[in-house]
Amino acid sequence: AQSVTQPDIHITVSEGASLELRCNYSYGATPYLFWYVQSPGQGLQLLLKYFSGDTLVQGIKGFEAEFKRSQSSFNLRKPSVHWSDAAEYFCAVGDSNDYKLSFGAGTTVTVRA
Amino acid sequence: ETGVTQTPRHLVMGMTNKKSLKCEQHLGHNAMYWYKQSAKKPLELMFVYNFKEQTENNSVPSRFSPECPNSSHLFLHLHTLQPEDSALYLCASSQGVSSNQPQHFGDGTRLSIL
Repeated sequence: AQSVTQPDIHITVSEGASLELRCNYSYGATPYLFWYVQSPGQGLQLLLKYFSGDTLVQGIKGFEAEFKRSQSSFNLRKPSVHWSDAAEYFCAVGDSNDYKLSFGAGTTVTVRA
Repeated sequence: ETGVTQTPRHLVMGMTNKKSLKCEQHLGHNAMYWYKQSAKKPLELMFVYNFKEQTENNSVPSRFSPECPNSSHLFLHLHTLQPEDSALYLCASSQGVSSNQPQHFGDGTRLSIL
């Protein structure tokens, strides 16, 4: 079974600065990879996904993520954060042999003025 | 995101009460899910339904009883809950039961057990 690790529990970033959130997974084949965002009091919203092809994927709200097979990573990036990006971010992994997703424990992002 | 609607948004109940959580999706999806979200823990999958048929019960205690009358509606009936059951309960739906089908989430029901 696959597993997901988000090494950073909490990240604080200044508005306008760049942001990178780390995600590492454990799975033998090419996984299906997702990033979700959860704003306070809301459910999870899909930011982007990777199944195959170009390893750099673009998502909504100006986010992008890069799949690196050699590092078993799928890190999320944004060049310039806005105060509205303060939220909790979840990485999730699925595989073709199972319909279940494995979620990481999440990274909380705080944006300071 | 208004595709998946959960009610109520907040629920406080005693350990001997019976209550139900409701989820409705307006996306035309065939699969629906219940997750439990506790602070700083990964989402825990509880139940999965595909075309109204339960395909997953992830070792959930019997005090949680799901019901899926059709592909658009999902309920979670609660009875004799424990304090450790306090959490955010999230409903999700997807086009099909496959991990390459993105799941769409509701805003959750915040459950507090007294």
